[in-house]
Amino acid sequence: SQQGEEDPQALSIQEGENATMNCSYKTSINNLQWYRQNSGRGLVHLILIRSNEREKHSGRLRVTLDTSKKSSSLLITASRAADTASYFCATDTGRGNMLTFGGGTRLMVKP
Amino acid sequence: EPEVTQTPSHQVTQMGQEVILRCVPISNHLYFYWYRQILGQKVEFLVSFYNNEISEKSEIFDDQFSVERPDGSNFTLKIRSTKLEDSAMYFCASGEVANTGELFFGEGSRLTVL
Repeated sequence: SQQGEEDPQALSIQEGENATMNCSYKTSINNLQWYRQNSGRGLVHLILIRSNEREKHSGRLRVTLDTSKKSSSLLITASRAADTASYFCATDTGRGNMLTFGGGTRLMVKP
Repeated sequence: EPEVTQTPSHQVTQMGQEVILRCVPISNHLYFYWYRQILGQKVEFLVSFYNNEISEKSEIFDDQFSVERPDGSNFTLKIRSTKLEDSAMYFCASGEVANTGELFFGEGSRLTVL
């Protein structure tokens, strides 16, 4: 399988609930980033977590990184309808100047 | 707020035609990228560019593809002879630092090859 796979592929929740998305990867990384993509639009950077960090917060976002399990999670608390989008993790392995994106989680937040 | 701009937003072309997609990265950024996303699929890396040369390219970026920074502001992706499977959304991105920082993406150019 590929570097950076999100789980679940799709998630539907009610406004106000928390949304958790997971990302697994195969090789060691320098950092892992989460991006958001509204339908038909470009990707917007949300948060970056380095390999020596375990948890990071930004507003309603909380990201964790477990390098022993090669996994990361993105938690969006108190979700809003405007959070409806696809969320992608992207890994920087330090080998080559590039990010490798996962397949994404499609989040739908119902009002 | 500075942003990456891409033109055209949508291009329809016939198979075998040449296409040039244009990007204006954020002005003080040094690293430039092209990614593509086939409808409903993951975002795939094509090429990275630094100091006027390609620093990394994927298997997708074959001889039909080329990139150029013809002046101090534009960054272009050329597809020499388009194929049906080149139909996708093409995203340009730029970054201040290699690898360790966030990428700033444009809104994309949708290419439809008929």
